[in-house]
Amino acid sequence: KNQVEQSPQSLIILEGKNCTLQCNYTVSPFSNLRWYKQDTGRGPVSLTIMTFSENTKSNGRYTATLDADTKQSSLHITASQLSDSASYICVVSAIAGGGADGLTFGKGTHLIIQP
Amino acid sequence: DVKVTQSSRYLVKRTGEKVFLECVQDMDHENMFWYRQDPGLGLRLIYFSYDVKMKEKGDIPEGYSVSREKKERFSLILESASTNQTSMYLCASSKTTPTFTGELFFGEGSRLTVL
Repeated sequence: KNQVEQSPQSLIILEGKNCTLQCNYTVSPFSNLRWYKQDTGRGPVSLTIMTFSENTKSNGRYTATLDADTKQSSLHITASQLSDSASYICVVSAIAGGGADGLTFGKGTHLIIQP
Repeated sequence: DVKVTQSSRYLVKRTGEKVFLECVQDMDHENMFWYRQDPGLGLRLIYFSYDVKMKEKGDIPEGYSVSREKKERFSLILESASTNQTSMYLCASSKTTPTFTGELFFGEGSRLTVL
């Protein structure tokens, strides 16, 4: 069964500090992996997409990594800001299988940035 | 600016009532989706549509139906609302099938409470 596990479930850090969120998956055959950011009371917004051949991709202060061999991805946030407080959801696409839409969603990491 | 608009941000209904959740996208996307999001469970797919008048069951379709009479509009219907349908409902659209790198664009969500 395709699964996506995210850790930690929740995280509290001080403003200005760095943090790393983890995503482990068992989805196969793998198509791509996206990280979404969901502000409280809003819909998720895509931060970045990782395909099989990509190891690292940056989007401003967000850097995503992918290790397709170990089936792990991470999202690193540098110099955190209060606006980074949100839930971060890892979503993995399968070429076949997964959910009916071909997607398997992680349950998310709830990140709180304290001033 | 691309947009997915959900008609109601907050609704309170009574058990047994019929509930309509409306979603409109202005991006000329073929694919539209309805998810529900519950704490600890993540996003779960209810129904999706790859074309006008076409619908496919997702992973949890029981108690729901959908309608897609126009390309830009996708409606979720709860024929007889029950308390276990209290949840956040998220509509999304995508240009290409999400499996093949397609990004999901989400609405702001509709928080439904069934009393």
